[in-house]
Amino acid sequence: AQKVTQAQTEISVVEKEDVTLDCVYETRDTTYYLFWYKQPPSGELVFLIRRNSFDEQNEISGRYSWNFQKSTSSFNFTITASQVVDSAVYFCALSERNRDDKIIFGKGTRLHILP
Amino acid sequence: GAVVSQHPSRVICKSGTSVKIECRSLDFQATTMFWYRQFPKQSLMLMATSNEGSKATYEQGVEKDKFLINHASLTLSTLTVTSAHPEDSSFYICSAHLGAEGGTDTQYFGPGTRLTVL
Repeated sequence: AQKVTQAQTEISVVEKEDVTLDCVYETRDTTYYLFWYKQPPSGELVFLIRRNSFDEQNEISGRYSWNFQKSTSSFNFTITASQVVDSAVYFCALSERNRDDKIIFGKGTRLHILP
Repeated sequence: GAVVSQHPSRVICKSGTSVKIECRSLDFQATTMFWYRQFPKQSLMLMATSNEGSKATYEQGVEKDKFLINHASLTLSTLTVTSAHPEDSSFYICSAHLGAEGGTDTQYFGPGTRLTVL
């Protein structure tokens, strides 16, 4: 069964618009971690955030914010006032303590910020 | 933060040859390293888990005789693609697990190695 679902394959928005990337996960573990990574064209993964299953507090970091809701098994990522440099593929991922902390990635959302 | 390096960053080889990719944790010891493969415009797929001093654990569908993994020290894991074929062309990424008490552990990813098999 797919563990992490990113339903949006590709999104295009005009610069300065806000955009939300959706992520829904599936796990039976009570202890798990959720992640977001950015992968620019260079290919190198850029770590954005890690959230553990016991911390449902939303987080804001500059233009980035994350909404973690266990009730809906979602961990959505919002970029406000998007910029062209935000164009990349964004991956949501899950690791489960009972599965040796292997990180399982969603299929990714390709984000295009148009000037 | 912790740094993980990979070498080489890019390699082109002829079909039938073997290619070795190194993954190093530069400023920490990693008891566990992971190897991922990413085909163009696809997600990262976990290939195997590499533990220092023991045999690697491979994910379903990954041929252990084709993708040899050696984790000889706490800072180095190597992936050897044996008898490479064009379908093995991919982006290979490793990660090193920095374990810590209290649940503060995390993984750090290398920059990736792009393999092209002609």
